[in-house]
Amino acid sequence: DGGITQSPKYLFRKEGQNVTLSCEQNLNHDAMYWYRQDPGQGLRLIYYSQIVNDFQKGDIAEGYSVSREKKESFPLTVTSAQKNPTAFYLCASASKADTQYFGPGTRLTVL
Amino acid sequence: GIQVEQSPPDLILQEGANSTLRCNFSDSVNNLQWFHQNPWGQLINLFYIPSGTKQNGRLSATTVATERYSLLYISSSQTTDSGVYFCAVWVTSGSRLTFGEGTQLTVNP
Repeated sequence: DGGITQSPKYLFRKEGQNVTLSCEQNLNHDAMYWYRQDPGQGLRLIYYSQIVNDFQKGDIAEGYSVSREKKESFPLTVTSAQKNPTAFYLCASASKADTQYFGPGTRLTVL
Repeated sequence: GIQVEQSPPDLILQEGANSTLRCNFSDSVNNLQWFHQNPWGQLINLFYIPSGTKQNGRLSATTVATERYSLLYISSSQTTDSGVYFCAVWVTSGSRLTFGEGTQLTVNP
């Protein structure tokens, strides 16, 4: 199947722990994106990458980190520095300024 | 940066009714997308429509780039149309989509 996969679907974290959310795509897209969505709110951009081994901060990058070692993969680490990490996290990919496609999302809850 | 405003923020319909959702943007764009977020959180692509009109079943969209707005029409609405509809734009010379705050649509049986 072609598309974007995110794992896990649900994730629980204790305060002070780092966690990594996975995002994989087999659409051969150059660009990948991470968004955060809080209940009843829109999408806010955390980080994006337009090419392997390069990425840029979005609007709310503090407390998050990413890597882009492979074209297919763009993992997001939520660090202990992120003060309010409970949210719905969405990964997307696109071919340059073309249609952006989204994965199913990961719901992160801090206990 | 570019501003994207969607209206109305909330809309409640009876099944079978028609509706129009609006997206205004403050700068020139070379990409505009409409998405539907279902109750499970999945964002579904509806239209890629930087200009002109497109139709897909009961849904259609029109973008008037020169006047900086786009409209999403939903005809004969069904309960499965419920969810949040987002408009997102890619500015000319930009490198990312900017999303509006969405329209929450509820279709009652």
